[in-house]
Amino acid sequence: AQSVTQLDSHVSVSEGTPVLLRCNYSSSYSPSLFWYVQHPNKGLQLLLKYTSAATLVKGINGFEAEFKKSETSFHLTKPSAHMSDAAEYFCVVSDSSGKLIFGQGTTLQVKP
Amino acid sequence: NAGVTQTPKFQVLKTGQSMTLQCAQDMNHEYMSWYRQDPGMGLRLIHYSVGAGITDQGEVPNGYNVSRSTTEDFPLRLLSAAPSQTSVYFCASSYSTVDFVSPLHFGNGTRLTVT
Repeated sequence: AQSVTQLDSHVSVSEGTPVLLRCNYSSSYSPSLFWYVQHPNKGLQLLLKYTSAATLVKGINGFEAEFKKSETSFHLTKPSAHMSDAAEYFCVVSDSSGKLIFGQGTTLQVKP
Repeated sequence: NAGVTQTPKFQVLKTGQSMTLQCAQDMNHEYMSWYRQDPGMGLRLIHYSVGAGITDQGEVPNGYNVSRSTTEDFPLRLLSAAPSQTSVYFCASSYSTVDFVSPLHFGNGTRLTVT
């Protein structure tokens, strides 16, 4: 069965420093992977997706993620954090029937 | 376009009461779904629909009913509310379910408290 684990429940960075949000997945086949962002009191918004094309995926707002099959990872990065990046981030994998399985979420805090 | 609209935004119920959470989308999406979000547990799929007249259970369907009489609407019914159903509920839709190439569009959520 497919599963996804976000390795940090909370990450704190200073504005202007790099962001790294870690995600490992388990899948018996080549999955589709996604990162979604949720700002306070809002629904989720797609940041980026991997669907077996290029392993380095660029998303909105300067975020990118790299699919590493050997490490079963799909970590989210951004070179320089902005205050507006403070939010909760979800790593998501699709199962064999197309349903999405969400990770537990990582709260990103950005300090001025 | 309004996207995905959920009503109400907030609701307080007493144990045993019933209610319907409304969800409507104006994007002509075939796929619609309901999730609940609880702290530390991410989002869990309750029910989903791949088109009008077709519904199926997700990961946590017990205590909830759905129907899909039109493409636009996908209401979620709680027949007898329980405190364990206190949660934030999200409706989401997408154009296609083929490996979710098209992204999920989420509503802004309904915060439900059952006392």
